[in-house]
Amino acid sequence: ILNVEQSPQSLHVQEGDSTNFTCSFPSSNFYALHWYRWETAKSPEALFVMTLNGDEKKKGRISATLNTKEGYSYLYIKGSQPEDSATYLCAFGNYGGSQGNLIFGKGTKLSVKP
Amino acid sequence: EPEVTQTPSHQVTQMGQEVILRCVPISNHLYFYWYRQILGQKVEFLVSFYNNEISEKSEIFDDQFSVERPDGSNFTLKIRSTKLEDSAMYFCASSVDIEAFFGQGTRLTVV
Repeated sequence: ILNVEQSPQSLHVQEGDSTNFTCSFPSSNFYALHWYRWETAKSPEALFVMTLNGDEKKKGRISATLNTKEGYSYLYIKGSQPEDSATYLCAFGNYGGSQGNLIFGKGTKLSVKP
Repeated sequence: EPEVTQTPSHQVTQMGQEVILRCVPISNHLYFYWYRQILGQKVEFLVSFYNNEISEKSEIFDDQFSVERPDGSNFTLKIRSTKLEDSAMYFCASSVDIEAFFGQGTRLTVV
C-alpha cells in the first residue's frame, strides 16, 4: 500500500517566523511530487510539481526541495504571514499509476498569528 | 484564468437516492479525475478518465459509481444509491500535463 505521510499535522506560528514541513513518500517508482495549498472553501491551489531528485522550486517566500532517493520533500515558508494560513498538501505520483493518479498526505495545517 | 468549476457546491440527499455531481474541466485538458475527502481523512483518488473511458479507478470506485463526459465539456460523477458513508467533499480535477488543477469541490451530505 502506497502511503504519503506529512508532518507535523498542524503548526501554529507567529507572523514573521519561518517554518518548514515534511512530506515522506515511497522512494520506488517515483514520477512526481506535488505541493498544494488549500484554503477552506476553495480549491487546492498547485504550488509546485517536482520530478527530479535534488529539485528545488521557489515561489515568493515559499520554496520546496525534493529527495527521491530517500523519499522526502520539504516545504519552507520564510517570514510567515497571516495569509499563509492554510492546509498544505503533498501528493505523490508514481509510475504504474495513470497520469494524475495522485496519492495525498493528510496535510499540514498552518496557522499564522498576527 | 481558466479554472475547474463544480456544481452544486453543496448537496444533501437521502440515503438510497441517486446523485450526480457535475464538473466543467479546463477546456484544453485531456485527463479528468474525481477525488473525495471524508471529513478528517485524506484526500482519496476515485477515478481517472482519458479519451472517453476510465483509465484507472480505485477500490472505492465500485459499481455504485460511474463517470461520464456527456457533451465534451461536462464531466459527471454519478452515485447510484447513496450510503451514509458516501458523505464527503468530492473534488474534480483536470490536467494536460503532470499538474492537476482542482475545482472547489461539492460537499455531499447523505442523510
